[in-house]
Amino acid sequence: DVQMTQSPSSLSASVGDRVTITCRASQSVVRWLAWYQQKPGKAPKILIYEASALGSGVPSRFSGSGSGTAFTLTIGSLQPDDVGIYYCLQYYSYPLTFGGGTKVDVK
Amino acid sequence: EVQVVESGGGLVQPGGSLRLSCAASDFSFRNYKMTWVRQAPGKGLEWVANINEDGGEKHYVESVKGRFTISRDNVKNLLYLEMNSLRVEDTAIYYCARRLELDYWGQGTLVAVSS
Repeated sequence: DVQMTQSPSSLSASVGDRVTITCRASQSVVRWLAWYQQKPGKAPKILIYEASALGSGVPSRFSGSGSGTAFTLTIGSLQPDDVGIYYCLQYYSYPLTFGGGTKVDVK
Repeated sequence: EVQVVESGGGLVQPGGSLRLSCAASDFSFRNYKMTWVRQAPGKGLEWVANINEDGGEKHYVESVKGRFTISRDNVKNLLYLEMNSLRVEDTAIYYCARRLELDYWGQGTLVAVSS
């Protein structure tokens, strides 16, 4: 199974800050990686697919990069609405596997 | 607007069974792979199963193999998850999502396994 390791597990940043979350795969997943945002009590929502493609309706301050085993989600300018838990998912091989999540707070 | 809506969750005793449904609308259901994902209370996300477009290819996480069955009805635009021999550790919100990359999610249905 491909293990997905996310870091950090939590972070707190100020409005307007640039925020970076990292996801590392235990083996190459090429670019078959997606990022999700989950707000409390809600279903997750896709942000990024195929490592860097922006999901429909997702603000342009979100961006993704990487390939192989190392991937990054960047929030270009953190907004109060960005509070939540962020997960990565590899969908290159079965079983599909998620990262452990990164909790993002606004100071 | 693309929509998927889960139903069928509830409280069940260990060893019991439950069938979840997911109703799809406003997209060509027969042309998409579909996926079930679950989230135990206070925990992260776990992929459970997915099915290809015609229902001929299915994949499961190891912990549910032999107990859960994913299926679909491309006429009624419905996705199913038949869950047997339920365990306490199956307690979770179960989400239905479109495609492997999970581009659209339902609101989830809660399955609670407890005596």
